[in-house]
Amino acid sequence: DVKVTQSSRYLVKRTGEKVFLECVQDMDHENMFWYRQDPGLGLRLIYFSYDVKMKEKGDIPEGYSVSREKKERFSLILESASTNQTSMYLCASSFPPNNSYEQYFGPGTRLTVT
Amino acid sequence: RKEVEQDPGPFNVPEGATVAFNCTYSNSASQSFFWYRQDCRKEPKLLMSVYSSGNEDGRFTAQLNRASQYISLLIRDSKLSDSATYLCVVMDSGYSTLTFGKGTMLLVSP
Repeated sequence: DVKVTQSSRYLVKRTGEKVFLECVQDMDHENMFWYRQDPGLGLRLIYFSYDVKMKEKGDIPEGYSVSREKKERFSLILESASTNQTSMYLCASSFPPNNSYEQYFGPGTRLTVT
Repeated sequence: RKEVEQDPGPFNVPEGATVAFNCTYSNSASQSFFWYRQDCRKEPKLLMSVYSSGNEDGRFTAQLNRASQYISLLIRDSKLSDSATYLCVVMDSGYSTLTFGKGTMLLVSP
């Protein structure tokens, strides 16, 4: 069964803290993605990766960075958390384009920055 | 800027009703189209892909009109369990990144 897990379901951090959100998939997928989801704004792509040590900016990369040292793990980093980064963060993974476009999502991390 | 537009709803329908959602997309070069379903406080999951010839999966029918850049989803014989937010999703050429609409909320009542 397909599985994408995220390190925390709920997280509360203070302004200025460095925050790490971890995502692990057990499907040997090459593609991994980080989104944030906000009411009225929908899902927006932050960063994505097509291979180990490879990363590409999505639509809203400002204030975020990522790391992909192993195929199964994709980390999202908030270098200095701000209140406008309070959101639901969703990780997803998928096969390469010649296999399937379906993205499998993790359960999400609801991050609150105070 | 890539955009996918949907009516946010909510659509309130009784059990057994037929309901249709529409979606428009801005990028004429878009190549693949999907409907995802998201239950309250859950992650999105693929409901079905959308093909030019139209496709059907049980009570669900999806249609694509490339000329009008329009996608639709029809749900027949609505069930209580169909209550969810339905996300229209478009994939452009090149990398397999997806652009999500903001979703249409469906509430099916007894």
